[in-house]
Amino acid sequence: EIVLTQSPGTLSLSPGERATLSCRASQSVSSSYLAWYQQKPGQAPRLLIYAASRRATGIPDRFSGSGSGTDFTLTISRLEPEDFAVYYCQQYGNSQWTFGQGTKVEIK
Amino acid sequence: QLQLQESGPGLVKPSETLSLTCTISGGSISSSSYYWGWIRQPPGKGLEWIGSIYYRGSTYYNPSLKSRVTISIDMSKNQFSLKLSSVTAADTAVYYCARHADLYSTSEFDYWGQGTLVPVSS
Repeated sequence: EIVLTQSPGTLSLSPGERATLSCRASQSVSSSYLAWYQQKPGQAPRLLIYAASRRATGIPDRFSGSGSGTDFTLTISRLEPEDFAVYYCQQYGNSQWTFGQGTKVEIK
Repeated sequence: QLQLQESGPGLVKPSETLSLTCTISGGSISSSSYYWGWIRQPPGKGLEWIGSIYYRGSTYYNPSLKSRVTISIDMSKNQFSLKLSSVTAADTAVYYCARHADLYSTSEFDYWGQGTLVPVSS
């Protein structure tokens, strides 16, 4: 099983600041199979990024994804008030899907 | 617009079987480009993939749950279902159904149901 470890656990930032979230895999992940989701309280997760760097339909361009192998990053260039939420990375490999434990982006 | 909706009993007793159904509207469960999955989230915790199914019947299960999970599909009703046997309090969670892209393309979960909370309690 590929384990995804996200850091930091919590990120305290102000609106307008840049957020950089990390997702590290226990073994190499194909970039085609790395995705990022946003989840707000009481809501289902929303797909932001798939194939490591492709934005999902309707996702603003302030969200970007990068990385390869075992290290992947989600960047929010300028935080808007609606971006404060929990973010999860997810991978597919060896007929299994796994999620990271999440990073909470909170208002400082 | 594709929509997924979970349904099932609101409470399950320990040692019993949890049964949920996901009904798809605005699209066909027999699309060759997609798989259908179940994900759960215990209160205040992260996401855990439970299992997935393809319309032709291929199934994939989380190894940690495999002995207790069955996922099936009913194309005539455009539904797929989850059964989780021998439940304990640790199975209390919000259960989501979701669509994900073909295993041979990118496989992300792009459409999700709203989720249903299933407490396990006597």
